This record gives sequence, structure tokens and C-alpha cells, in this order.
Amino acid sequence: DQQVKQNSPSLSVQEGRISILNCDYTNSMFDYFLWYKKYPAEGPTFLISISSIKDKNEDGRFTVFLNKSAKHLSLHIVPSQPGDSAVYFCAASERGGSEKLVFGKGTKLTVNP
Amino acid sequence: NAGVMQNPRHLVRRRGQEARLRCSPMKGHSHVYWYRQLPEEGLKFMVYLQKENIIDESGMPKERFSAEFPKEGPSILRIQQVVRGDSAAYFCASSRDRGSYNEQFFGPGTRLTVL
Repeated sequence: DQQVKQNSPSLSVQEGRISILNCDYTNSMFDYFLWYKKYPAEGPTFLISISSIKDKNEDGRFTVFLNKSAKHLSLHIVPSQPGDSAVYFCAASERGGSEKLVFGKGTKLTVNP
Repeated sequence: NAGVMQNPRHLVRRRGQEARLRCSPMKGHSHVYWYRQLPEEGLKFMVYLQKENIIDESGMPKERFSAEFPKEGPSILRIQQVVRGDSAAYFCASSRDRGSYNEQFFGPGTRLTVL
């Protein structure tokens, strides 16, 4: 019973182009969403988050979009750089709950020079 | 400005032995979370602790696993009588407060291998 789904295990883009990573969720009680980036043999690094009262949040090259009616969020990276190559995890939490994060399985992004 | 620290980074145990994983949260953080990542999987929540209290252990296996976060010292995740299926990466995260919209910051993980 996967509450957070990242249906694309991998994505390959050219340097300078846009990377779009997608995430779907099933639990309507989720109200806070986060993206983490992870390199091999390291812990996840926080990238950007969005609360359910917003539909967009932007931080430099990273923008997260939230579509509550579709229970869908996406992370846009533009322009993509080779250093962005990593596994990206979408996570969600439920305010008023225990603050635990529910993670998707991740999407491996490869940015080709 | 140290981040979340975990040790050891790598731990090898034989079946039936005990594994102890330690986590020191970021300075000023009093909330600790443990997650487990199996190969090719996302991170799965195990337990959430505050100082001296377990807040949510809904993700912990019922047997052999325990966690603590004492008043002084690091948080400890303890696995007794390890089995091969316990082989995974165990990540600790910390946050400053409880409440809305607190990011969790992760440590580098402990990779447990059970022979």
C-alpha cells in the first residue's frame, strides 16, 4: 500500500534543459510535501518543500508544483546541471500526526553534459 | 555547524548478534526519527523520539528492535539477534520543533550487513 508513488524509476536529460520529476499520493490527509536529493552512500539532502495551502514554491533553479485535486506534485529543475545527477525522493507528511515522512521509491536523474 | 551524525557508517554482524546504531541530532534539535532503506526502495519510517520519550513507533518491527533517546547522549537504535533481512541502510533525521512544516535533516546513514 504505497501512499507516495514515483512512477518513473529513472530520467535522463541534457545539460541546460528542464528536468521534471513527478510524484503522486493517495492519502488526502497529507498536507506537507518535500523533495530530497540523495547521492550514493550519503543521506538524503533536503531540497524544497511545499505546504498544501500553496500550489507553487520556487527556490533558485528548483520549483515544486502541487495539484491537490489530482494529488500530484512535480519538481522542476531548470536549467539542469550534471551535478544534479542523483536520486530524488518525494516525501509527504500529515500535520497533526507524528511528523513522520512517507517516501516514494525515488527517481534516478541523470543529466548528460 | 555539525549536521546529523551517525556511527558507525558501516557495521557487519553475524546472524544472532546485536547491532547498535547511534545518532547525534543537529545542535538545537530535540526530535529524532529513524528510517530504514532496503535496496531499490524508498526510506521507510521506523520510530520518532523526543528526549526520553517515544512518540511514534508504528514503523518498528514488534520484536528485536528498540530505540531510545536519553536525556544525555545520542539516540540508539538497537537490533537484537540480527537476521539477514535486517541488512539495510539505516538513516537518522532530526528536526528542531514539532509542528507544521519542519524539515527533517538526515545523517549519512549506517549500512548494516548481516552475514
